[in-house]
Amino acid sequence: DTGVSQNPRHKITKRGQNVTFRCDPISEHNRLYWYRQTLGQGPEFLTYFQNEAQLEKSRLLSDRFSAERPKGSFSTLEIQRTEQGDSAMYLCASSVLGLEYEQYFGPGTRLTVT
Amino acid sequence: AQSVSQHNHHVILSEAASLELGCNYSYGGTVNLFWYVQYPGQHLQLLLKYFSGDPLVKGIKGFEAEFIKSKFSFNLRKPSVQWSDTAEYFCAVGGDKIIFGKGTRLHILP
Repeated sequence: DTGVSQNPRHKITKRGQNVTFRCDPISEHNRLYWYRQTLGQGPEFLTYFQNEAQLEKSRLLSDRFSAERPKGSFSTLEIQRTEQGDSAMYLCASSVLGLEYEQYFGPGTRLTVT
Repeated sequence: AQSVSQHNHHVILSEAASLELGCNYSYGGTVNLFWYVQYPGQHLQLLLKYFSGDPLVKGIKGFEAEFIKSKFSFNLRKPSVQWSDTAEYFCAVGGDKIIFGKGTRLHILP
C-alpha cells in the first residue's frame, strides 16, 4: 500500500506522560500536514512541513506539542505532559509539489488520555 | 475569520432519494473548495474539489458540487443515493492549510 501510514493506530496513556506519533507520507510527497479531530468536529489544522521545513503552526499547537520532519520524509508529533483534553484523533496528510492542495490523509492515531 | 458551516449534522435518506448537503464558507484568500468523505472505518478521502473554472464540478461516485460565489456556497449533490453512500461528509476550504466544517453524517436506509 503506497498511501499515508500512521503509527500507532491507537495509543492510551496516562495524564502527564509523553507520547510520540509517526507519519510516513506517500513517497515523493514533499508536503506533510498534521491535523487533530475531536468528536463531532472536523479536522483542525495543526502544522505543516515542506520537505524538512516547518512552515506554519496553528495556535492550537501549544508549547507541549512539537513536530519534526528531520529528513523530509517521515514526521513525528510529540505531545509532552499529556492532558485529558489532548484526547483526539491525530491525522496526517501529504501532498505533492504542484498539487499542494490535494491532500491525502492517513488513517490517524487515536489518542486517549486517562 | 475563516470558517466553514455545514447546514446539516445528520441526514437520513432512503436509497434512490436525491441528496443535497449545504455548505457555506467565509474565507479571505483565493477560494479552493473541497468535499471529503469518510466511510465507516476508513480514512478521509477527497470526493471532489474546485479551484477555478466551471463552477459545477464532478467528483467520484456520481457526486457533484456547485460553487456559487455570490452565496459563498459549495453544496454537494447526488441525484440518487445508494446504501454505500453512508458516510460522514466534510466540506472544506483552504490552500496550504485546510479548514473543515463539522461534518454531516449521512445514513442511507436500504
